[in-house]
Amino acid sequence: QPELQESGPGLVKPSDTLSLTCSVSGVSIITTSYSWGWLRQPPGKGLEWIGTISYTGTTYYSPSLTGRVTLSFDASKNHFSLKINSVTATDTAMYFCAKRISGPYYSFPFDIWGQGTMLTVSS
Amino acid sequence: DIVLTQSPGTLSLSPGERATLSCRASQSVAGNYLAWYQQQPGQAPRLLIDGASNRATGIPDRFSGSGSGTDFSLTISRLEPEDFAVYYCQQYGRSSHTFGQGTKVEI
Repeated sequence: QPELQESGPGLVKPSDTLSLTCSVSGVSIITTSYSWGWLRQPPGKGLEWIGTISYTGTTYYSPSLTGRVTLSFDASKNHFSLKINSVTATDTAMYFCAKRISGPYYSFPFDIWGQGTMLTVSS
Repeated sequence: DIVLTQSPGTLSLSPGERATLSCRASQSVAGNYLAWYQQQPGQAPRLLIDGASNRATGIPDRFSGSGSGTDFSLTISRLEPEDFAVYYCQQYGRSSHTFGQGTKVEI
């Protein structure tokens, strides 16, 4: 069973770039049909999908964040990363990484999640 | 993007009762790619249902999903104490995902 673990700075200043990493164990991140996503949840609010990167490196982003967000992976370290630039207080949230399976003719939701890492934007 | 609207916002029930949660989509969900998650306070969401009606691995059979097109529901046949939580529906297309705003099931 794969396990995912988020890591990040905990606190970033407004207008800075947010960088988070999700370390994956138990499976290779370049396993065929696997995709890896980032989601977030502001305090007391609902879930928001940020973006997904497939095992081929294809990326998909939420329309509300396109232009500010970049997903990437490092197969040699078996981890994937999230960068959001020009952060504001509205980017304060618990950030989760998660795994899903999808292909040309099938799609599954996020079935394995990390425990989450809290990120606060404040000066 | 597809907008998902969940109702009710809060459901107040007792252990042993039946819970029915609704999720309505602003347009038809392709492939019935509709999932339900349970989230306990301070924890990551847990996948309950995929494909509108398929229970995920290890999920008790008191949880069931139904629906197609734009109207979906999650039913918990007899509430156990550990079922009091927030529930989210999600549509998971190949290139985009959206969540409903959540339904809190409380005692």
